[in-house]
Amino acid sequence: DFQMTQSPSSLSASVGDTVTITCRASQGFGNYLAWYQQKPGKVPKLLIYAASTLQSGVPSRFSGAGSGTDFTLTISSLQPEDVATYYCQKYDNIPWAFGQGTRVEIK
Amino acid sequence: QVQLVESGGGVVQPGTSLRLSCEASGFTFSHYATHWVRQAPGKGLEWVAAISYDASRTYYADFVKGRFTISRDNSQNTLFLQMNSLTTEDTAVYYCARGSWCIGGRCGLMASDYWGQGTLVTVSS
Repeated sequence: DFQMTQSPSSLSASVGDTVTITCRASQGFGNYLAWYQQKPGKVPKLLIYAASTLQSGVPSRFSGAGSGTDFTLTISSLQPEDVATYYCQKYDNIPWAFGQGTRVEIK
Repeated sequence: QVQLVESGGGVVQPGTSLRLSCEASGFTFSHYATHWVRQAPGKGLEWVAAISYDASRTYYADFVKGRFTISRDNSQNTLFLQMNSLTTEDTAVYYCARGSWCIGGRCGLMASDYWGQGTLVTVSS
């Protein structure tokens, strides 16, 4: 079965730090990889698609990279409003697959 | 503006049925595949089902096959999820989400840029 493995499952960092979240796929699938941000009680918000393309309106401190099986989401200069859970998602075909999520907190 | 509005959630007993709806506006609904994604309390996102833009193809996660049916009415810009034989493990917020597009014979893969606000389904005795 196809699997998306995110790491770490949670992290705590200081305001201004750079944080990186990794998503690893059990099989390669090109760059049809998206990242979502979900704040508590809110709807998931698309941050990045096609592995590295920033969705309109998303701050430039968010960036994505990778292809094949290994992908990263980087938040440079972490801000208090970035406290959320982040999910990766493959969307090259159906079924969609999501990573388990990474909870980001402020130290 | 693009909107997806779910309805139909509620509290039901195990073994019963529920029908969710998702009304779309602000875009040409019939050009897009649409998905249901759920999130159990305190858990991550889990893909449930999808339907092609023209309803010709449907897809299901293994854990709902034979119990859930996805459908759509493009004339009413509405997506449905018929859920039968519900169990406590189906308790979750159910989101509809816009997916890939097909226009005039051309199709493109898309991450979901629009999600509904979600509707809570609670299965409890």
